[in-house]
Amino acid sequence: GAVVSQHPSRVICKSGTSVKIECRSLDFQATTMFWYRQFPKQSLMLMATSNEGSKATYEQGVEKDKFLINHASLTLSTLTVTSAHPEDSSFYICSASDTGNYGYTFGSGTRLTVV
Amino acid sequence: QKEVEQDPGPLSVPEGAIVSLNCTYSNSAFQYFMWYRQYSRKGPELLMYTYSSGNKEDGRFTAQVDKSSKYISLFIRDSQPSDSATYLCAMSKMDNNDMRFGAGTRLTVKP
Repeated sequence: GAVVSQHPSRVICKSGTSVKIECRSLDFQATTMFWYRQFPKQSLMLMATSNEGSKATYEQGVEKDKFLINHASLTLSTLTVTSAHPEDSSFYICSASDTGNYGYTFGSGTRLTVV
Repeated sequence: QKEVEQDPGPLSVPEGAIVSLNCTYSNSAFQYFMWYRQYSRKGPELLMYTYSSGNKEDGRFTAQVDKSSKYISLFIRDSQPSDSATYLCAMSKMDNNDMRFGAGTRLTVKP
């Protein structure tokens, strides 16, 4: 089946620094990838839709200059949290849609802690 | 009103029990319905996928969709401790497009 690899699984960074999270579709091409944020005991909150070769579409209330998304190839999308602050600490998950399979395939998530 | 409503629980059952998880929704345009299972600190994994109304069975899992009532269910028979996880319902108007998630129900199956 479709596999999405997400790295790193866990990262701790200092306030004010930037962190890059990678999301790769390993055995399929993903023209569209999705980035979610999840707070403890809460559901997935869609942050943005990443489209290969074009600008990402951000959900209302998500700062595009803070959460930079790059989808440079059909198998890789990156989310960069710029000038991170403690309130950015969260669980970030990517997903991709494979036309050969139903539903979305999710990455394993990245737990970001900003200290 | 949220587009997708799901009781967050937590729900605790003894091993072997039948578990019923439910979601309601408000948008009649939803046609594709999914259930995801998410273990702690992991990404969700697709459990069941249903198009339109009806039932779908896969091993111990049965998904039901009642579009007239805007209500979907996931049943787990002979529940096991390994079923302990958060279950999220999800739905979309078109296949693999603009998916909306429920809040997730946290299930614990006690041995």
